[in-house]
Amino acid sequence: GNSVTQMEGPVTLSEEAFLTINCTYTATGYPSLFWYVQYPGEGLQLLLKATKADDKGSNKGFEATYRKETTSFHLEKGSVQVSDSAVYFCALQNQAGTALIFGKGTTLSVSS
Amino acid sequence: EAGVAQSPRYKIIEKRQSVAFWCNPISGHATLYWYQQILGQGPKLLIQFQNNGVVDDSQLPKDRFSAERLKGVDSTLKIQPAKLEDSAVYLCASSLEGTGKAFFGQGTRLTVV
Repeated sequence: GNSVTQMEGPVTLSEEAFLTINCTYTATGYPSLFWYVQYPGEGLQLLLKATKADDKGSNKGFEATYRKETTSFHLEKGSVQVSDSAVYFCALQNQAGTALIFGKGTTLSVSS
Repeated sequence: EAGVAQSPRYKIIEKRQSVAFWCNPISGHATLYWYQQILGQGPKLLIQFQNNGVVDDSQLPKDRFSAERLKGVDSTLKIQPAKLEDSAVYLCASSLEGTGKAFFGQGTRLTVV
């Protein structure tokens, strides 16, 4: 079946450090891939997405590249800020119109 | 633009009681989802509506959970009777038809004691 696997958290970094959160997926066909973020006290919101192989999604300094050969969609940011502290969820949509399938989430904590 | 509204924000009930959650999606969004998020896990789909029709309810425990979306707008999710393992955050989301960009409400945190 379709599934998403994320690296276990929590991830604890100092401000300005480099961030990588690993995400791999299992899916039939050619899914679209997403990163959602949940800031403290807020609802889940879309951070970035990629809809086909080799696409790069980017937003707010975060990037992720759709790698079909490794079935991965790792999230990266070159210099994290305290305000990036949140829970990050990798997700896939197997085909248009179907519901998102989420990973377990990775908690990021950034200290100054 | 108003977001997805959910109520209540918190609910504590005893096992075997019933409970209902309400969701008002973003205006014009044909697709509505209910997800269950247990502590430490990612959201898991319970049911997906397209307008007022059910698209996917394969993971809905139909012996105790029910959901409806009257007139293709607001939706309610009901649990009757509740079990301890139903303690979770219940998330409502909506999206424009066919897109993967879902807008989520803040959720209802249910505690069953």
